[in-house]
Parts: sequence; C-alpha cells; structure tokens
Amino acid sequence: GESVGLHLPTLSVQEGDNSIINCAYSNSASDYFIWYKQESGKGPQFIIDIRSNMDKRQGQRVTVLLNKTVKHLSLQIAATQPGDSAVYFCAVPKGGADGLTFGKGTHLIIQP
Amino acid sequence: DAGITQSPRHKVTETGTPVTLRCHQTENHRYMYWYRQDPGHGLRLIHYSYGVKDTDKGEVSDGYSVSRSKTEDFLLTLESATSSQTSVYFCAISGQGGEKLFFGSGTQLSVL
Repeated sequence: GESVGLHLPTLSVQEGDNSIINCAYSNSASDYFIWYKQESGKGPQFIIDIRSNMDKRQGQRVTVLLNKTVKHLSLQIAATQPGDSAVYFCAVPKGGADGLTFGKGTHLIIQP
Repeated sequence: DAGITQSPRHKVTETGTPVTLRCHQTENHRYMYWYRQDPGHGLRLIHYSYGVKDTDKGEVSDGYSVSRSKTEDFLLTLESATSSQTSVYFCAISGQGGEKLFFGSGTQLSVL
C-alpha cells in the first residue's frame, strides 16, 4: 500500500526564518496531497492541499511544492512565528473511502 | 474544529470495562473516521463509515466496534478495554471519500 514518510522528525528554526518541511510518498499514481498541522493537545488541522496537476500552491504564508518525478513534496512556511510551533504531517488518500495515509510528522521548533 | 465534537475529552478506565467514545458532527458529512494516535506510530485508522449503518474496518480494528445510526453521530466502543488501547482517539469527517479530513479535538483514554 501507499506509504508516506517525512525526512526529519524534528526541525529547529529561528523565529523569522523560513521553514521547509519535506515529505516523500511511494505511489506514483497518487494525485492528491494534504498538509496538516497539529499543535500540542489538539487535533490535526488542515493547512493546504495540492493536486498532481499543479507543481506549486500558495496559501497564507505557506507554499506547497510537488515534485512528481521524485515523488516528493514540501511545505514552506515563510517568516516562521512562535505560533507555527507544531507537528506537521503530510497525507495522501488511500484510494477509496478509507481516508488518508499519514506520515509520522515533523516537529517544528521555533527558536527565539 | 469544523463542527466536530468528541466526548468525553478525557477518560480513565480499568482493564476489562467497556468504553464508548462519541463523535458528533454538524456538517452533514457522509464520511466519518476513528483514528488512534500513538508515539512512534502516528495516526492509524480504526474504523470508518461511509453512510448511516455503513461501516468498515481500518488497519487496527481488533478490539473495537463502531455504530452509526444517524448521519451526525459515530460511536466507537471498546468492548473490554485493555492497556494497549491507552491512546489519543481522533474522530474525523469528510464530505467525499479520498479527500481532506477534518478532525475533532481528540479523546485521551487511559486504561489502567
């Protein structure tokens, strides 16, 4: 089945810097990708998604890049703030009604 | 949390007792999911529902059962709780299968 992996379990950045969180997926037929943010003690929160007919999609301070050739996607957070401290997951649909496959997450730590 | 309420938020119970967790949504979404989240394992699907009275197993369904008698409610039951079921449980909803999920705030369950 589909597997989704994140490259780093922890990422530490300085406040104000840009953050880049990476994710790899295994199924070249995957056509939809989602990023979630999970703050301590809360449920995962949808951030942004992208379909395979796009290479890039921008939201508010976030950008997702998709490289289908190497089956890699990244989440870029501009001007990282203390409120960005959380665990970030990428996810891909399993292909039916049974939801998503999630990566294990990257914990983003913001240094003052 | 996208009109999703999980109850209770915290529960401590003893091994061998039955436990029911409730998920209530106000979004009228067709698909509902129960996940558990454990350190080192990420989010794992327990059961899901694709309509009233229509449910199916996920990857970690042993020891769990579910029921969905109304669109808005999805119940997760541990018939006889075990310590291995100590976890954080998240309910999620989706308007379409294979699309992004919206999560509740979670239930912290401790089985002693």
